[in-house]
Amino acid sequence: GNSVTQMEGPVTLSEEAFLTINCTYTATGYPSLFWYVQYPGEGLQLLLKATKADDKGSNKGFEATYRKETTSFHLEKGSVQVSDSAVYFCALSDPSGGYQKVTFGTGTKLQVIP
Amino acid sequence: EAQVTQNPRYLITVTGKKLTVTCSQNMNHEYMSWYRQDPGLGLRQIYYSMNVEVTDKGDVPEGYKVSRKEKRNFPLILESPSPNQTSLYFCASSWGKGYNEQFFGPGTRLTVL
Repeated sequence: GNSVTQMEGPVTLSEEAFLTINCTYTATGYPSLFWYVQYPGEGLQLLLKATKADDKGSNKGFEATYRKETTSFHLEKGSVQVSDSAVYFCALSDPSGGYQKVTFGTGTKLQVIP
Repeated sequence: EAQVTQNPRYLITVTGKKLTVTCSQNMNHEYMSWYRQDPGLGLRQIYYSMNVEVTDKGDVPEGYKVSRKEKRNFPLILESPSPNQTSLYFCASSWGKGYNEQFFGPGTRLTVL
């Protein structure tokens, strides 16, 4: 079956530090990949997505590149802010299941300190 | 305002007492889904629906039922709740299939004693 593996948190960074959150996946087909963010007390919201190899998704200073050869979709940001403190989820949707099921990783909590 | 609403937001109940968590979206989305979020396990898909009267099991469907009689509503039913169903539940919807952006509700925190 499909699976998504994320680095364990929590990740604690100082403001303006560089962020990387690793995500690797296994999938039967050629999936679409997503990063969702969950702020405290809220539901998830889409941060960025990529649908084919070498695509780069970007939003709010965050980026992730779809690497088919390494089955990875690592999230990066050059300079984090306190307001980026949240839980980040990597996810995939697989065409072999008709894109009907969505598989999430376990989430990585990011804490940014001033 | 485009949104997914869930009710109730918080619920404490006892083992075996049937309950329903409602989910409604106002975006005319075909796809709706239920997830549970547990520490260390992330989000796991319970059930999803591609359209009215079309539902299917996700990864953890045991102990849950759903129905999709109207496009906007997708209630989650626990016929006989047990303590291992204590969790944070999210409803989500999207246009088309799961490869599109999903819009999530605010969550329902359920405690089963």
